[in-house]
Amino acid sequence: GQNIDQPTEMTATEGAIVQINCTYQTSGFNGLFWYQQHAGEAPTFLSYNVLDGLEEKGRFSSFLSRSKGYSYLLLKELQMKDSASYLCAPAGTGRRALTFGSGTRLQVQP
Amino acid sequence: GAGVSQSPRYKVAKRGQDVALRCDPISGHVSLFWYQQALGQGPEFLTYFQNEAQLDKSGLPSDRFFAERPEGSVSTLKIQRTQQEDSAVYLCASSRAGRISGNTIYFGEGSWLTVV
Repeated sequence: GQNIDQPTEMTATEGAIVQINCTYQTSGFNGLFWYQQHAGEAPTFLSYNVLDGLEEKGRFSSFLSRSKGYSYLLLKELQMKDSASYLCAPAGTGRRALTFGSGTRLQVQP
Repeated sequence: GAGVSQSPRYKVAKRGQDVALRCDPISGHVSLFWYQQALGQGPEFLTYFQNEAQLDKSGLPSDRFFAERPEGSVSTLKIQRTQQEDSAVYLCASSRAGRISGNTIYFGEGSWLTVV
């Protein structure tokens, strides 16, 4: 089975930096996805990490440590539109579907 | 199509009624997934198809839930004798290949089911 742990809620200020952590346990490992989901909308793909280290993509970066079962999503220069839920989804081997964490609801304040 | 399309977008069902939710995946996508998402929670896996074959239905909560994808494209999730705990958003997703590694999964906007 899989265990995924991420904070339920976070609050940050516009223009600031926020780090959303995710710890996980999987049977085997086939990469880790982060998705963004605005209220009432579909989850949208943000990043995919399969090797250790930091992947940067504009204002968003994602980090992975396979040995520690740990990932984080780093959001820089926060904007109001970044208020959303952020879903961590590690992929185990032997399964073809992603398992999602409960998500971290981020609120960006002016 | 351009994206994953789901219908109906909203459905109110009386308890005990049967419902059918439709998913049109992105054209040519091999894999199709159904997820159930309760308010404030992440999506919970229900079932997975590779083309027309249902390879994993371990997430279906009871035998009242049934999914099919007879021609390997459009899929239908059917819920029989709906109960209040079935109220949730039902998300459909598709991906190009039949494997997870490096393979982005695209979600539809979901079908919002309310059982009264």
